[in-house]
Amino acid sequence: GDSVTQMEGPVTLSEEAFLTINCTYTATGYPSLFWYVQYPGEGLQLLLKATKADDKGSNKGFEATYRKETTSFHLEKGSVQVSDSAVYFCALIIPNTGNQFYFGTGTSLTVIP
Amino acid sequence: DVKVTQSSRYLVKRTGEKVFLECVQDMDHENMFWYRQDPGLGLRLIYFSYDVKMKEKGDIPEGYSVSREKKERFSLILESASTNQTSMYLCASSVYTPGTGELFFGEGSRLTVL
Repeated sequence: GDSVTQMEGPVTLSEEAFLTINCTYTATGYPSLFWYVQYPGEGLQLLLKATKADDKGSNKGFEATYRKETTSFHLEKGSVQVSDSAVYFCALIIPNTGNQFYFGTGTSLTVIP
Repeated sequence: DVKVTQSSRYLVKRTGEKVFLECVQDMDHENMFWYRQDPGLGLRLIYFSYDVKMKEKGDIPEGYSVSREKKERFSLILESASTNQTSMYLCASSVYTPGTGELFFGEGSRLTVL
């Protein structure tokens, strides 16, 4: 079945460190891929997305590239800030097969000054 | 700004009580969803609806029901709350754009069942 696997946390980094959160997927079709972020006390919000192979999604200094050959969508940021502390969720949806999103279990990131 | 509003941020209920969680969106979205979020398990889909009076079971529908009488409102009902339903409940909505639609989430309702 369709699923998403992301690296377990929690992850703790110092400010200005490089961030990678790994995400791999299994899909019966050709998925669209997403990263959502949940700041403390809030709901999830879309961070970035990519809808086809080799697309790069980017927002707020975060990037992720849709790699079909490795079925991956790793999230990266070159220099994290304290304000990036949040839980990050990788997700996919299969076009034309309904509206169900499949989410990873989430990775908690804490950035310390 | 798009908005999904969940009526209660925090609720405390007793075992066996009937619980209503309300969700309203102001974006004229066709699709609405209820998820529960638990540590280590991520988000699990309870029910979703793609039209008024329509509903589909998600991955964990047992112990829950839903109601969608109006396009903007999607309610989650726990007929007889149990302690294992203590969780964070998230409502979301999206346009009907197969496969590419963004989900918009409410802030969540944290339910504690004693």
